[in-house]
Amino acid sequence: NAGVTQTPKFRILKIGQSMTLQCTQDMNHNYMYWYRQDPGMGLKLIYYSVGAGITDKGEVPNGYNVSRSTTEDFPLRLELAAPSQTSVYFCASSYMGDNSPLHFGNGTRLTVT
Amino acid sequence: DQQVKQNSPSLSVQEGRISILNCDYTNSMFDYFLWYKKYPAEGPTFLISISSIKDKNEDGRFTVFLNKSAKHLSLHIVPSQPGDSAVYFCAASGTGGYQKVTFGTGTKLQVIP
Repeated sequence: NAGVTQTPKFRILKIGQSMTLQCTQDMNHNYMYWYRQDPGMGLKLIYYSVGAGITDKGEVPNGYNVSRSTTEDFPLRLELAAPSQTSVYFCASSYMGDNSPLHFGNGTRLTVT
Repeated sequence: DQQVKQNSPSLSVQEGRISILNCDYTNSMFDYFLWYKKYPAEGPTFLISISSIKDKNEDGRFTVFLNKSAKHLSLHIVPSQPGDSAVYFCAASGTGGYQKVTFGTGTKLQVIP
């Protein structure tokens, strides 16, 4: 029972490079989310999806893109990486959007230099 | 604008004693509250929640208290165990359809054997 799986665990990018953070869940959850956590800060919502084919912006979407072609997968794309995107990224899913607890992956630690 | 505040970045407690973690919120539209626990190099995991129609919810050693008039909630852990050492995040949302979850900055609990 894998839950939410994120890859890679760590990545170092140079300024201006691009990459995709992968996220997959095997719980058949409709809702999926991307958060980032900066040191000493709470989790900030980047993007979310309420089902396959539907995505929407969260609090801090600039510099990111997402897609949701299947229920299981919710990749996060970084275009033109900047040092401000150095953070730990968490993918999460939930059965419903209304107060269902979030199930998180173990995170991707990204450094942009 | 930090709508969910955890003013104590860290807390140390002796094993067997009570741990009390506090959380304040400013948005009166919040009516559902959750606590998540996070170990290093892992994603947050759901611990306990409370709806605004209650003032207390208990699950084993964990109890959450809600004081709506003061916009304050607290998590009590009794008795504290070394395995409880982790970062605890308070989170809040509204109800009805998809509601964005707002996280606090976390409190690092250390339980000393």
